[in-house]
Amino acid sequence: EPEVTQTPSHQVTQMGQEVILRCVPISNHLYFYWYRQILGQKVEFLVSFYNNEISEKSEIFDDQFSVERPDGSNFTLKIRSTKLEDSAMYFCASRGGDNEQFFGPGTRLTVL
Amino acid sequence: RKEVEQDPGPFNVPEGATVAFNCTYSNSASQSFFWYRQDCRKEPKLLMSVYSSGNEDGRFTAQLNRASQYISLLIRDSKLSDSATYLCVVIYTGGFKTIFGAGTRLFVKA
Repeated sequence: EPEVTQTPSHQVTQMGQEVILRCVPISNHLYFYWYRQILGQKVEFLVSFYNNEISEKSEIFDDQFSVERPDGSNFTLKIRSTKLEDSAMYFCASRGGDNEQFFGPGTRLTVL
Repeated sequence: RKEVEQDPGPFNVPEGATVAFNCTYSNSASQSFFWYRQDCRKEPKLLMSVYSSGNEDGRFTAQLNRASQYISLLIRDSKLSDSATYLCVVIYTGGFKTIFGAGTRLFVKA
């Protein structure tokens, strides 16, 4: 069964450093998403991406964040200068023609 | 008012019980509705889509009332493996912005 994969599973970084989180969506999907979930809190929408551009973003997704689909398979989330409050689980999701999104296992980001 | 609100929980039920979760949403531009389940420290997994006509998948029944902006999930004959957090998810028209409820925790006990 096709699935969304994410790497790394856990990323530890120092405050102020740049991090890139990677995702490989399901191969025939065209819509891609990033979410975050701070420990003990709800899943929060960050951004959606379609046709090589951002289609929607939340208030959380400020200038420190960027997304890219550098090739035909990867979808990345970059945080330019990490803050302590960026520590969270980051989930990537993809969907096909309907609205059913399938999530990757997540990357746990720890900012020290 | 929160965009998506769910029963706070937790729900503690014995095996075999029937349990119902409710969810309300505030934005009438909402287009698509889903229930996901999330196990501790895992990714959300799609449980089922929710349609106005109601839909059933085995022991699970979901219902949407657009007039009341209300979504429900009914679980019959609860199993220990049903223990998880159940997330109500609303997608706005266009299919891009996705709002999750805070989730309702379910504990099924033997």
